[in-house]
Amino acid sequence: KQEVTQIPAALSVPEGENLVLNCSFTDSAIYNLQWFRQDPGKGLTSLLLIQSSQREQTSGRLNASLDKSSGRSTLYIAASQPGDSATYLCAVRGGIYNQGGKLIFGQGTELSVKP
Amino acid sequence: DTEVTQTPKHLVMGMTNKKSLKCEQHMGHRAMYWYKQKAKKPPELMFVYSYEKLSINESVPSRFSPECPNSSLLNLHLHALQPEDSALYLCASSYDQRETQYFGPGTRLLVL
Repeated sequence: KQEVTQIPAALSVPEGENLVLNCSFTDSAIYNLQWFRQDPGKGLTSLLLIQSSQREQTSGRLNASLDKSSGRSTLYIAASQPGDSATYLCAVRGGIYNQGGKLIFGQGTELSVKP
Repeated sequence: DTEVTQTPKHLVMGMTNKKSLKCEQHMGHRAMYWYKQKAKKPPELMFVYSYEKLSINESVPSRFSPECPNSSLLNLHLHALQPEDSALYLCASSYDQRETQYFGPGTRLLVL
């Protein structure tokens, strides 16, 4: 059974710092991995999707990497801003024949960027 | 249009009430999802519809009844809920079950 772990559970950094959020998963037979952002009481915003055949994806100040063999992904945020404060969720998707292709979420990392 | 809309935004209901949550998307997506999220927890999948047919039911109690009248619309009918069912209910859609899921803003449900 796939399990997804995110470390740390919470992180507080000063504005301008570069930071890394970590995600690990137990079953490397994934179809893809997705990073989401969630503001308090709101829905999830998709940030980046990495297919199992890819090593990384970039969007603006965000870079996500994937190492399937070691069961790890990282989300790198450059030059953090107070507006980046939110909970970041990592989710992996197995193939259709692996848990029905559903998303398995980690518990999230709550990020606070101080001005 | 990359938006998933959900109504209502907030809902308060008693344990004997019947209510429905509505989700709509016009992105041509063929997979639609219901998730339940408690505070400080990740979303938990409840149901998946693929091409308007129920493909996954995560052993959800029968007091939650999903319905997909057409490819753009997903409903969740609620009846005889319990206070522990209070949560944020999120709808999502994707082109198919393998692709990026787009989430709506959610319905905050309180059961008294």
